[in-house]
Amino acid sequence: GDSVTQMEGPVTLSEEAFLTINCTYTATGYPSLFWYVQYPGEGLQLLLKATKADDKGSNKGFEATYRKETTSFHLEKGSVQVSDSAVYFCALRSNAGNMLTFGGGTRLMVKP
Amino acid sequence: DTAVSQTPKYLVTQMGNDKSIKCEQNLGHDTMYWYKQDSKKFLKIMFSYNNKELIINETVPNRFSPKSPDKAHLNLHINSLELGDSAVYFCASSDLSSNQPQHFGDGTRLSIL
Repeated sequence: GDSVTQMEGPVTLSEEAFLTINCTYTATGYPSLFWYVQYPGEGLQLLLKATKADDKGSNKGFEATYRKETTSFHLEKGSVQVSDSAVYFCALRSNAGNMLTFGGGTRLMVKP
Repeated sequence: DTAVSQTPKYLVTQMGNDKSIKCEQNLGHDTMYWYKQDSKKFLKIMFSYNNKELIINETVPNRFSPKSPDKAHLNLHINSLELGDSAVYFCASSDLSSNQPQHFGDGTRLSIL
């Protein structure tokens, strides 16, 4: 079945540091890939998405590129802020259905 | 103008009780979902309804029964609550015919005493 693997957290960074959160997936066909963010006490918000190989999703300074050859969708940001502290979820949606398969989530803590 | 709204936001109850969580979306989507997030933040699909019909039913105990009175609502009823049911339950919606992502509610934190 489909699966998503993310690096375990927490990831602790200083403000303005470079962020990478690794995400790899296993799926049949050509899934769509997503990053969702969950701020403390809130629900999930879509951060960015990519629907086909080599697509780059970007939003709020975050980027992720759909790499079919390495089955990866790593999340990056050049300069994190304290307000980026949250839990980040990588997810895929296979072509076979509309359900999302989530990774385990990575907690990011940014210190001033 | 909340897109996906769940009630209640918090639910604290005792083992053995029966409780319901309600979800409504005003996005005009035809598909709704319930996800469970455990204490380690792991998210897993439970159910999905498309136009009031069940299309996804993962391995979930029979004590959980979703009900969709119309395509804008998907309620979750849980019988005989157990300690392991403590979690955050998220409702989501999407348009099955489009390639757009799912929209999530703010979650319902269920705590079993």
